[in-house]
Amino acid sequence: KNQVEQSPQSLIILEGKNCTLQCNYTVSPFSNLRWYKQDTGRGPVSLTIMTFSENTKSNGRYTATLDADTKQSSLHITASQLSDSASYICVVSAVDMRFGAGTRLTVKP
Amino acid sequence: KAGVTQTPRYLIKTRGQQVTLSCSPISGHRSVSWYQQTPGQGLQFLFEYFSETQRNKGNFPGRFSGRQFSNSRSEMNVSTLELGDSALYLCASSFTGMDTQYFGPGTRLTVL
Repeated sequence: KNQVEQSPQSLIILEGKNCTLQCNYTVSPFSNLRWYKQDTGRGPVSLTIMTFSENTKSNGRYTATLDADTKQSSLHITASQLSDSASYICVVSAVDMRFGAGTRLTVKP
Repeated sequence: KAGVTQTPRYLIKTRGQQVTLSCSPISGHRSVSWYQQTPGQGLQFLFEYFSETQRNKGNFPGRFSGRQFSNSRSEMNVSTLELGDSALYLCASSFTGMDTQYFGPGTRLTVL
């Protein structure tokens, strides 16, 4: 069983709408949790990095939250744009890095 | 400033051969990490180098190896290639390894 589970697997929303992606993990202890955005055919781009003691981190329209007690993180995207269409990957760093399978987001006009 | 560069961008090899991939990090970055990405397994961590020393290693067989040079450039080697090694190999650099990582475009390896 993957130690980092992301949901939903895919999501379609209309431009301008908000959405929230989920990441549940069992990796413990961990040093940090990261969210990446990956466009098709390109390398991932870092969105946020949070240590276990941080609850929230924002990067423009992207806001990540972390609940270390329930081992859950979420990525909230506000006022979505067509360019937000991508895969979003949650990564938990411990002794090594554990990756979620990603959520494929499609933003439609 | 220039981003992370990887060479070659595409590579086709046959089973049993070996391959060397190269990664040039952003100037000033001392941490270089390597990842394998496949449709079936997603992103998987291979190893991380910091100041010429392997600092972390993922769960890959010994056929996968790497090194880092004094200028922080890194190479990854895969020996005795298998069909399952076909993947996108990504490298990422950062100052410390615990800060924001910047990924290169990847090397697409196809093993026939």
